[in-house]
Amino acid sequence: EDKVVQSPLSLVVHEGDTVTLNCSYEVTNFRSLLWYKQEKKAPTFLFMLTSSGIEKKSGRLSSILDKKELFSILNITATQTGDSAVYLCAVFLGGADGLTFGKGTHLIIQP
Amino acid sequence: DSGVTQTPKHLITATGQRVTLRCSPRSGDLSVYWYQQSLDQGLQFLIQYYNGEERAKGNILERFSAQQFPDLHSELNLSSLELGDSALYFCASSPRFWSGSTTGELFFGEGSRLTVL
Repeated sequence: EDKVVQSPLSLVVHEGDTVTLNCSYEVTNFRSLLWYKQEKKAPTFLFMLTSSGIEKKSGRLSSILDKKELFSILNITATQTGDSAVYLCAVFLGGADGLTFGKGTHLIIQP
Repeated sequence: DSGVTQTPKHLITATGQRVTLRCSPRSGDLSVYWYQQSLDQGLQFLIQYYNGEERAKGNILERFSAQQFPDLHSELNLSSLELGDSALYFCASSPRFWSGSTTGELFFGEGSRLTVL
């Protein structure tokens, strides 16, 4: 059975800290890994990764994929209270099955 | 705003009842996906439609059904509701059927929160 596991499940840090969120996967027919941010309602797209070792960056957020070890990390530097959200990792298997999501990491940034 | 519209936003009903959730995908998107999000299970894929035809089924119960209409909007029907069906139901759309050239990115609606009492 395809599996996506995120850790930690919950994380509380102070504003200005750097955080690293983890996502590991055991799936067949891997095509890409995606990160989403979910604040109050709809998940919004952050990154899509297909190749190992190539870092994707957007402002203070960055992500990298290791296809050999089957994991990805999402880094957020100089965190702000607006970064508080659930961060979802999902794997696209290249078939017709949509995305397989992990349970998410609930990140809380305290002022 | 993702461009995906879901109604209703909130719905409270009793056990044993039936409800219909509605989704309008982004303009031009042919694929519609339904997901269920509960506190303990995370986002679970239910079903996918592409241009009116069912393409894939995930963890969808037999009490649930969906369809996509010629104008590409989709409806998710939930019947014989149980307490455990209380969840946030998301619709998402993407431009085309999954193929080797797609990225897998989905555009999510705001969700319909269903509470079964």
